[in-house]
Amino acid sequence: DAKTTQPNSMESNEEEPVHLPCNHSTISGTDYIHWYRQLPSQGPEYVIHGLTSNVNNRMASLAIAEDRKSSTLILHRATLRDAAVYYCILRDPLSNTGNQFYFGTGTSLTVIP
Amino acid sequence: DGGITQSPKYLFRKEGQNVTLSCEQNLNHDAMYWYRQDPGQGLRLIYYSQIVNDFQKGDIAEGYSVSREKKESFPLTVTSAQKNPTAFYLCASSVGGVGMNTEAFFGQGTRLTVV
Repeated sequence: DAKTTQPNSMESNEEEPVHLPCNHSTISGTDYIHWYRQLPSQGPEYVIHGLTSNVNNRMASLAIAEDRKSSTLILHRATLRDAAVYYCILRDPLSNTGNQFYFGTGTSLTVIP
Repeated sequence: DGGITQSPKYLFRKEGQNVTLSCEQNLNHDAMYWYRQDPGQGLRLIYYSQIVNDFQKGDIAEGYSVSREKKESFPLTVTSAQKNPTAFYLCASSVGGVGMNTEAFFGQGTRLTVV
């Protein structure tokens, strides 16, 4: 399975945009990029996913590099409730084992009031 | 409300005893998963099931067992063979199937402590 690399931690001021990077240099052509976040003592929740084009939803935006070897999750205006661990994972829906979700250690985001 | 339910939220077990963690979903999902999370760590896959009556070992299956007799249920048994069972256990489900690129839905977790 292709791996992802994320910074261990990041800080952001409240109400400012946050850019969370993810490197995935060994991504395959059929891998989708998924982002999840985990609040303390809770299960992860889905944030967004994409293949090639940038994606937007009510929670965040996903910017994917043209060569797809990196991506950035963008929180447009950080709130205290966005403090969480953010996981970037790759998932190949065409693989027989693609239904597995492999999580790394993620990026712990601290939001400063 | 559709969702995935884990019970209990906190569980204490005496060393040497088996314990079963419950996971139920009413999302009509085919695929279900069990993960273990240790403090400050990411999630590690224990077992997954893509369909009823079928399941596969994940990366850390030793000392654990599962069953998938019903679509809605995927219980995890932590056996006495698991040397370090104290952890946060998370169950998840997804639509499943090759070609299905859908997200996973997680339960709120069970925190197991061996005393």
